Amino acid sequence: NAGVMQNPRHLVRRRGQEARLRCSPMKGHSHVYWYRQLPEEGLKFMVYLQKENIIDESGMPKERFSAEFPKEGPSILRIQQVVRGDSAAYFCASSPPGSHSNIQYFGAGTRLSVL
Amino acid sequence: GNSVTQMEGPVTLSEEAFLTINCTYTATGYPSLFWYVQYPGEGLQLLLKATKADDKGSNKGFEATYRKETTSFHLEKGSVQVSDSAVYFCALGAQGGSEKLVFGKGTKLTVNP
Repeated sequence: NAGVMQNPRHLVRRRGQEARLRCSPMKGHSHVYWYRQLPEEGLKFMVYLQKENIIDESGMPKERFSAEFPKEGPSILRIQQVVRGDSAAYFCASSPPGSHSNIQYFGAGTRLSVL
Repeated sequence: GNSVTQMEGPVTLSEEAFLTINCTYTATGYPSLFWYVQYPGEGLQLLLKATKADDKGSNKGFEATYRKETTSFHLEKGSVQVSDSAVYFCALGAQGGSEKLVFGKGTKLTVNP
């Protein structure tokens, strides 16, 4: 029973390029969360999605960032025109439908470096 | 809004020492509380949880008790091992589930032989 899968593990981009981060939730999970971890900081919530719906995007920067979780396939966090300040670890978490326990299962993260 | 305040690190201990990492929270209602652990280069793993007042979460020798009166969820272990070296995060989930988690800044623990 595979856990939350994120790829790539490491991503290097030059300023102005696009970054695409993928997350496949645990089997049977339909809720996906994205968090960002800046160096020496805790995780900050970015967005919460269910299949084909964005439920809460209160933590997403207003520009350049977008997320989707299509009916088929992984969830994608997309960062357009990356800047050095986007360098961080991005973690995806998932939880099953109907869960009332708040337990989220995390992937190993994608470490984005912007040159 | 909801928030978590966690003891600043880093914390350095000798093997078999007693560990306490303090965590307090601010939230409305009755949130769920968690401790997650992050080993170097890895993602977060759930260490333990508590969902209501006076619950005690425990795992791998670690314990934390949900104290509503002091809004705290301190992590303790009686005898740490070198393999416990990691970053520990206290987190809060809003009442009702399926909500974002709010994390503390993390406490880095190093255990020396």
